[in-house]
Amino acid sequence: DIQMTQSPSSLSASVGDRVTITCRASQGISSYLAWYQQKPGKVPKLLIHGASTLQSGVPSRFSGSGSGTDFTLTISSLQPVDVAIYYCQKYNSAPLTFGGGTKVEIK
Amino acid sequence: EVQLLASGGGLIQPGGSLRLSCAASGFTFSNYAISWVRQAPGKGLEWVSGISGTGGSTYFADSVKGRFTLSRDNSKNTVYLQMNSLSAEDSAIYYCAKGLGAVPGTKYDYWGQGTLVTVSS
Repeated sequence: DIQMTQSPSSLSASVGDRVTITCRASQGISSYLAWYQQKPGKVPKLLIHGASTLQSGVPSRFSGSGSGTDFTLTISSLQPVDVAIYYCQKYNSAPLTFGGGTKVEIK
Repeated sequence: EVQLLASGGGLIQPGGSLRLSCAASGFTFSNYAISWVRQAPGKGLEWVSGISGTGGSTYFADSVKGRFTLSRDNSKNTVYLQMNSLSAEDSAIYYCAKGLGAVPGTKYDYWGQGTLVTVSS
């Protein structure tokens, strides 16, 4: 099965900073990659699918890129409401494996 | 408004069985895949199982294969996760999620609030 590895596992940045999270697949998955945001005590929320397509209603400061095995989620200007854990997930075929998550905090 | 309501969780002894339900509303149920994703306390997300819109295809994580079964009743807009031979490692919040397509290999745009399963003697 394909493994999904996220880095870093956690980060702390200042409001307004540019934040980048990386997700690597152990085998190529084309662009079948989604990013989810989970705020404390809440259910996951779909941010990006198709590696780079912003889900409706998601702020434009979020963006995604990559294909094959290497993907990134970027927050162009970190806001306090972005404090959350971010997960990548592959969905080209079962199992639909998640990455281990990246916890984003405000410095 | 799309809604997913997961139910059926609770405290169960090791080796026991439990059936979770996911009742959906607000969309054409049979057109969309449904998956179950679990999250142990303080841990990350783990995809468990998914079913196609027609119910004709089901998929499972290796960790539950042979112990869990998944079915759906499109006349009742409900998906059922039957969990057998439960162990402490199955303790988690179980979320059901609606796919953006008819097959489980898709992204998931709506998630239910989850139901807590605790396996303990």
